[in-house]
Amino acid sequence: ETGVTQTPRHLVMGMTNKKSLKCEQHLGHNAMYWYKQSAKKPLELMFVYNFKEQTENNSVPSRFSPECPNSSHLFLHLHTLQPEDSALYLCASSQETMDRRNSPLHFGNGTRLTVT
Amino acid sequence: SQKIEQNSEALNIQEGKTATLTCNYTNYSPAYLQWYRQDPGRGPVFLLLIRENEKEKRKERLKVTFDTTLKQSLFHITASQPADSATYLCALRTGGFKTIFGAGTRLFVKA
Repeated sequence: ETGVTQTPRHLVMGMTNKKSLKCEQHLGHNAMYWYKQSAKKPLELMFVYNFKEQTENNSVPSRFSPECPNSSHLFLHLHTLQPEDSALYLCASSQETMDRRNSPLHFGNGTRLTVT
Repeated sequence: SQKIEQNSEALNIQEGKTATLTCNYTNYSPAYLQWYRQDPGRGPVFLLLIRENEKEKRKERLKVTFDTTLKQSLFHITASQPADSATYLCALRTGGFKTIFGAGTRLFVKA
């Protein structure tokens, strides 16, 4: 069991649906991330939150909407997705300090999303 | 833009041999580089970090080298076992909170 828990593990949704992915970290970290992983492609960074503040938005379409109510929880709200958005969505966390910006990422096991 | 390249073809080796995976990067001079392991259906797991002033880093059967002149890192698994079969990802921090990844190399260790 990892210190980062993602739910649901699998999700099938139609293009007109609205759904949310949830991530919770039990590691006491202050930074949380959303990555997208498509087959045969590198992980793509989507969003970063540090102490609940969004610090990165990697030109992600507005049909993906992140929410970070506190340092332990991260959501990804989905609406009017396209079939090409089908992928594995990974949440990660890390402990960042001013003098230590090389902290490794701790990943959850992802949500496998299929858009029909 | 920064780019990381890893061998896209799977690596097949016999149990007991040394597996060597390559990571090349361009357009960046990272202070350090990370390696992760990913099993099917699971998230990546951090293995090792090597800093630019470290030529080599070891952890049990794992060894990582970092050549900032060649812009290359090599990842070695000695005395490989079938349980080492997985995808191995190379990653580097590009600034701020951005960590970028290579597409990974799939390793198969045959008994």
